[in-house]
Amino acid sequence: SQKIEQNSEALNIQEGKTATLTCNYTNYSPAYLQWYRQDPGRGPVFLLLIRENEKEKRKERLKVTFDTTLKQSLFHITASQPADSATYLCAPNNAGNMLTFGGGTRLMVKP
Amino acid sequence: GAGVSQSPSNKVTEKGKDVELRCDPISGHTALYWYRQSLGQGLEFLIYFQGNSAPDKSGLPSDRFSAERTGGSVSTLTIQRTQQEDSAVYLCASSPRQGIGVGYTFGSGTRLTVV
Repeated sequence: SQKIEQNSEALNIQEGKTATLTCNYTNYSPAYLQWYRQDPGRGPVFLLLIRENEKEKRKERLKVTFDTTLKQSLFHITASQPADSATYLCAPNNAGNMLTFGGGTRLMVKP
Repeated sequence: GAGVSQSPSNKVTEKGKDVELRCDPISGHTALYWYRQSLGQGLEFLIYFQGNSAPDKSGLPSDRFSAERTGGSVSTLTIQRTQQEDSAVYLCASSPRQGIGVGYTFGSGTRLTVV
C-alpha cells in the first residue's frame, strides 16, 4: 500500500541554522509533491510544489528537492527563525490526483 | 471570499446525533476537498468535488458520512448518528483546478467533539 513517512519526532534547531526535513514515500510514483506548513489550530498553508521532472525548487529561504529514484523529498529552511516553528507536511499526489499527506514533522526553532 | 470559510469553528454534539459542517470555498475554485485530522494525526482524505463531475467518495469511512456541493460552490459534509471516533478536525480545501498540481487553500477547520 502507499505510504508516506515523515519523522514524527520534533526537530529542534538553533535560530540561524538550516533545518532539513525528510519525506519518504513508497509504492507509488507521484507526478508532483507539495509542502505545507500547519500552525496549531489552523489549516495547512501551501508553501511549495515540485514536479517529478524538477530536481530542486526554491522560494526565498525555502528549498525543496525531489529524488524520484530514492523516492524522497527534502525540505530545507535556511537561516531559520523562531517564527518558522510549526509542523511541516509533505503531500505527494496519488493516482486520483488528490493529495495524500504525511503525518508531518514538528519544527522548533530556538532563539 | 478572500479565503476558505468553514462553519461552525467548533461543534460539540451528543453521540447518535447528526451534524452538518459547511465549507465556503474561494470564489471561482472548481475543486473542493474534505479531509479530517484526528488529534496528533495526519490528514485523512474524505471526498472531493471537481466542477460538475461525480465526486470521488473513496475516502468516506462509512455510509454515515455524506457530502454535497450545491451550485459548484458551497459544500456540506453530513455525519449521521455520530460516534465518538468521529471526533476530529474536519478541514475543507479548494483549488482553482484539480489534477495538475495546484496548491490547496485550506480553511481553519471545524473541530467536532462527540460526547
